[in-house]
Amino acid sequence: QVQLQESGPRLVKPSQTLSLTCSVSGDSISSGDYYWSWIRQPPGKGLEWIGYIYYSRSTYYNPSLKSRVDITVDTSKNQFSLNLSSVNAADTAVYYCARYDSSGYHIDYWGQGTLVTVSS
Amino acid sequence: QSVLTQPPSVSAAPGQKVTISCSGSSSNIVNNYVSWYQQLPGTAPTLLIYDNYKRPSGIPDRFSGSRSGTSATLGITGLQTGDEADYYCGTWDSSLSAWVFGGGTTLTVL
Repeated sequence: QVQLQESGPRLVKPSQTLSLTCSVSGDSISSGDYYWSWIRQPPGKGLEWIGYIYYSRSTYYNPSLKSRVDITVDTSKNQFSLNLSSVNAADTAVYYCARYDSSGYHIDYWGQGTLVTVSS
Repeated sequence: QSVLTQPPSVSAAPGQKVTISCSGSSSNIVNNYVSWYQQLPGTAPTLLIYDNYKRPSGIPDRFSGSRSGTSATLGITGLQTGDEADYYCGTWDSSLSAWVFGGGTTLTVL
């Protein structure tokens, strides 16, 4: 059974960089068959796709966030990470890491999510 | 404003049937597979339907999906109070080169 677990600071100051890590168990990121993704959900609102990374290091980002987002993979730790720069209050959200199946057309596993608040 | 349009809310009585629409365009729904997700209160979303109509193992056949033209539809029959949740459609948008979600629909079982 694949499991994903988000970790990182729960409080980030405005203008700083939000950094989260997703630890994957039950599957190897280096197997190369899946897309590894970040998705967020502001309190009381809908889901927003941030982006994903494919094993070949190809990345795809939400155009509205592209200038501030970086998703990377650490195969030695079986983890992938999100960096979101220059954050503001609008970036306050529950951040989910997730796995897309090999077709890239659906998410088959989600992390439990972690609330990150942007505030001074 | 979401690229995929869903009704904000739907409601029906226990045992009844409900449908949730997801309206898009030729750059997303028409040419790419649609998936649906259920988000129970306070939890992460889970996969309900993929590749327009397929159900993952463990999802009852009360849940169904279809696609026609620029729209996709999620159907739920034999409604139960445990079905109260937010439902999201999602697909790839070829023009944006990005994944897009619908705005979500809250289902209330009266």
